[in-house]
Amino acid sequence: GAGVSQSPRYKVAKRGQDVALRCDPISGHVSLFWYQQALGQGPEFLTYFQNEAQLDKSGLPSDRFFAERPEGSVSTLKIQRTQQEDSAVYLCASSFAGSYEQYFGPGTRLTVT
Amino acid sequence: GENVEQHPSTLSVQEGDSAVIKCTYSDSASNYFPWYKQELGKRPQLIIDIRSNVGEKKDQRIAVTLNKTAKHFSLHITETQPEDSAVYFCAVGGGYQKVTFGIGTKLQVIP
Repeated sequence: GAGVSQSPRYKVAKRGQDVALRCDPISGHVSLFWYQQALGQGPEFLTYFQNEAQLDKSGLPSDRFFAERPEGSVSTLKIQRTQQEDSAVYLCASSFAGSYEQYFGPGTRLTVT
Repeated sequence: GENVEQHPSTLSVQEGDSAVIKCTYSDSASNYFPWYKQELGKRPQLIIDIRSNVGEKKDQRIAVTLNKTAKHFSLHITETQPEDSAVYFCAVGGGYQKVTFGIGTKLQVIP
C-alpha cells in the first residue's frame, strides 16, 4: 500500500511569507507526528495528533507554527512570517494506535531566503 | 525532557568489519528504543527496535543491546557492506510514542 506522502517536496519562501506543508498519513493510522530536521541534525519533535486531537504541541518553536488535522487524516503544518532559521526538512510520521513503530514521509525541504 | 546522546558522530570501517554505535538516555521511564537509517535526501527508515523488557535483539547482520540500569543501548552491524553507508539515528520513546532522536552517526563503509 501507499506510504506516508508529503507535499510539496521542496518549498522556497521569502522571509516573511506564510507556508503550508501537507502530510497524508497511511490509511488507518491514528497517530501523526511532525518533526523538524535541521541540516546535519536528528529530527526534533514538533507536535503529535491522535485522530483530530492535538495532544502535544510542546515542540513547536514559536507561535508562528501551527498544525491541524481537522478530520483525523490529512494534516497541515503552517508557518507564518517565515524566518531564515525555519529552513529545514519537515518530516511527518504516522503509526497505528498503540504501536510504537513510526513510518516517515519523504519530508518537505523548506528554504527561507 | 529526555536527553539522548549518541557517539561517535562519524565512523569509517573497512568492508566486512563490524560497526558499533552507542547511545545514552536520561529518562529511566523510557521504554522504546528504535534505530533509524537515513540515506542522503531520503526519509528515516526503521531498521530495528527494542523494548525495555528485552536486553538484546538480532536481525540478520544487525543487533541492538540495551542496558536499562546504565541507560545505554548500542547498535551492532556485522560484516558491513558499502550499502550500509548512511546516517544512523538512535531514538528513545515512551508513553504515547513520541520519540527523541540522537544527533546521528555518519557511517562510511570503505570497499
